[in-house]
Amino acid sequence: EAQVTQNPRYLITVTGKKLTVTCSQNMNHEYMSWYRQDPGLGLRQIYYSMNVEVTDKGDVPEGYKVSRKEKRNFPLILESPSPNQTSLYFCASSYGGYPYGYTFGSGTRLTVV
Amino acid sequence: AQKVTQAQTEISVVEKEDVTLDCVYETRDTTYYLFWYKQPPSGELVFLIRRNSFDEQNEISGRYSWNFQKSTSSFNFTITASQVVDSAVYFCALSEETSGSRLTFGEGTQLTVNP
Repeated sequence: EAQVTQNPRYLITVTGKKLTVTCSQNMNHEYMSWYRQDPGLGLRQIYYSMNVEVTDKGDVPEGYKVSRKEKRNFPLILESPSPNQTSLYFCASSYGGYPYGYTFGSGTRLTVV
Repeated sequence: AQKVTQAQTEISVVEKEDVTLDCVYETRDTTYYLFWYKQPPSGELVFLIRRNSFDEQNEISGRYSWNFQKSTSSFNFTITASQVVDSAVYFCALSEETSGSRLTFGEGTQLTVNP
């Protein structure tokens, strides 16, 4: 089944403790992206990648890191999480970005206390 | 800069009513795509439709229909004879040719269909 898999689904952590949210896709897509969803703000792009070793900032990149060492994986790293990073995170992949749209993972609900 | 506005934060209807979700967008590009996604209570994002800027034909899929009007920069979504299972958050999104991979979302509309 074609899908984007992200883990974990739920995560509670403390301020400053480094964490990684994993993302993997099995569709051989070139494009991958991370979004965060906050009430009243919709989804905002954090980082995106157009291919292996090619990444760039989205609209809200502060406090996040990403890497794209393999085509299928695109982990999101929070080096020192803070409470304002409490959010619902989505990983997504796309055959070619515009105009194909994205297939989204199931989401990771992160709480930073 | 691209922008999507969904002015209706919440809509509540009774089952079998028709409901329209509004979406207004801003773009300087002549080539762009518009999308609708559904987010049910379980949280995942489900793709519903994609429409390119050169195709203004209305689309109908079962109880769902979409009205794309470039003159008013709108891409509205209508559910006919709503059902409880339609209860979800609905997002409109825009992707421009010049923005590459960026998909810009509206704020979302929470639709509640009551039995």
